[in-house]
Amino acid sequence: KAGVTQTPRYLIKTRGQQVTLSCSPISGHRSVSWYQQTPGQGLQFLFEYFSETQRNKGNFPGRFSGRQFSNSRSEMNVSTLELGDSALYLCASRSEGGYTFGSGTRLTVV
Amino acid sequence: GENVEQHPSTLSVQEGDSAVIKCTYSDSASNYFPWYKQELGKRPQLIIDIRSNVGEKKDQRIAVTLNKTAKHFSLHITETQPEDSAVYFCAASYSGYSTLTFGKGTMLLVSP
Repeated sequence: KAGVTQTPRYLIKTRGQQVTLSCSPISGHRSVSWYQQTPGQGLQFLFEYFSETQRNKGNFPGRFSGRQFSNSRSEMNVSTLELGDSALYLCASRSEGGYTFGSGTRLTVV
Repeated sequence: GENVEQHPSTLSVQEGDSAVIKCTYSDSASNYFPWYKQELGKRPQLIIDIRSNVGEKKDQRIAVTLNKTAKHFSLHITETQPEDSAVYFCAASYSGYSTLTFGKGTMLLVSP
C-alpha cells in the first residue's frame, strides 16, 4: 500500500512569508503527527491530529498551526517565517505498529 | 512531560565490531520504546521496538534491552556493517498510540 506522502519536498521562502505543508497518511490511518528536525535538536514534536481533532501540541509558538481534513490528510502552516524555521518537517502516520514517516519537506528560509 | 536523553551523540566502530547506544527516559509511565534508523537524506524508519512487559527483544543482528527500574533502554548492534552507518533515534511514549518523544540521535559510523 502507498506510504506517507508529503508535499512539496523542497521549499524556499523569504522571512516574513507564510508556508503550508501537506501530508497524506497511509490509507486507513487516522492519526497524523508532525515533527521538526534540525541538526543537533533531533525530532521535536509539533502536533498530532486524530479524526480532524488536535490531540496534542508541542512547545512551539502560535505561528505554527495545523489541521486535518475528513480524509485524514493534514496540513501545517507556519506564518511570519523566521530564519530559525529552516528545517526538515516530517509527518508520521500512526498504526499499532508504530509511526511510519514521510520523506519530509525541506524548508529553507532566506 | 517526557524527556529522553541519548548517548553517545557520535559512535565510530570498525566493521564487525559491536555498537551500543543508550537512552534514559524520565516518565515512569512510559511503556513503549521504539528505535528508528535514518540514513542520510532519507526518512526515519522503525527498526525495532520494545514494550515494558519484556526486558529484551532481538531481531537478527539488533537487540534492544529495557531496564524499567533504572528507566533506561539500549540498542545493541552486533557484527556491524558499513550499511549500518546512519543516525539512530530512540523514543518513548506512554503507549503505542500516544505521542513519541525522541532522543537527539546518535550518528553511527562503521568503517570497512
